[in-house]
Amino acid sequence: KNEVEQSPQNLTAQEGEFITINCSYSVGISALHWLQQHPGGGIVSLFMLSSGKKKHGRLIATINIQEKHSSLHITASHPRDSAVYICAALLDSNYQLIWGAGTKLIIKP
Amino acid sequence: DTGVSQDPRHKITKRGQNVTFRCDPISEHNRLYWYRQTLGQGPEFLTYFQNEAQLEKSRLLSDRFSAERPKGSFSTLEIQRTEQGDSAMYLCASSLWGADGYTFGSGTRLTVV
Repeated sequence: KNEVEQSPQNLTAQEGEFITINCSYSVGISALHWLQQHPGGGIVSLFMLSSGKKKHGRLIATINIQEKHSSLHITASHPRDSAVYICAALLDSNYQLIWGAGTKLIIKP
Repeated sequence: DTGVSQDPRHKITKRGQNVTFRCDPISEHNRLYWYRQTLGQGPEFLTYFQNEAQLEKSRLLSDRFSAERPKGSFSTLEIQRTEQGDSAMYLCASSLWGADGYTFGSGTRLTVV
């Protein structure tokens, strides 16, 4: 079993739909990262959170420490949101990042 | 400070050659991390430094790989006798005391031909 699991692996939706990507982890963490990677592009940090909820524009990230679960939501999705979204757990032991497998999101116009 | 810088952005090399990549972290960050990402896979941890000390190395880091951070500022990652399997994106990240401001560079894409 992977220490960080994401679902779904692939997601295709129509423009305007509300998107949810889920992440579960089994390790002790100090924080959880949500990252975005465009094809051939670098990795951009969207959120780092250790409790509660954060919002930035149309993106919302939540975390439930007790349940070891986090979600990334995109409201009013747009084709430019198409990318791979990665959940990564920052270990509380040595601050390494354990990466999920990523969710490939395609938003169709 | 414009974030974490990596140089070069792209490197094409012949098999058997040595290559060196550089990472300049955010200036006040004391931790620096190297990751490798192969096509279609998530990034894999390679090594990290706290100041100039290399605190942990992944078993993925064979004897052909060496990383340094001589003055606790920039870091270099050298691959000797490159193999085609070394072709990947090499990512650098830095942070302040572990979690604060964890920031990634744009990566160096290595192609071994």
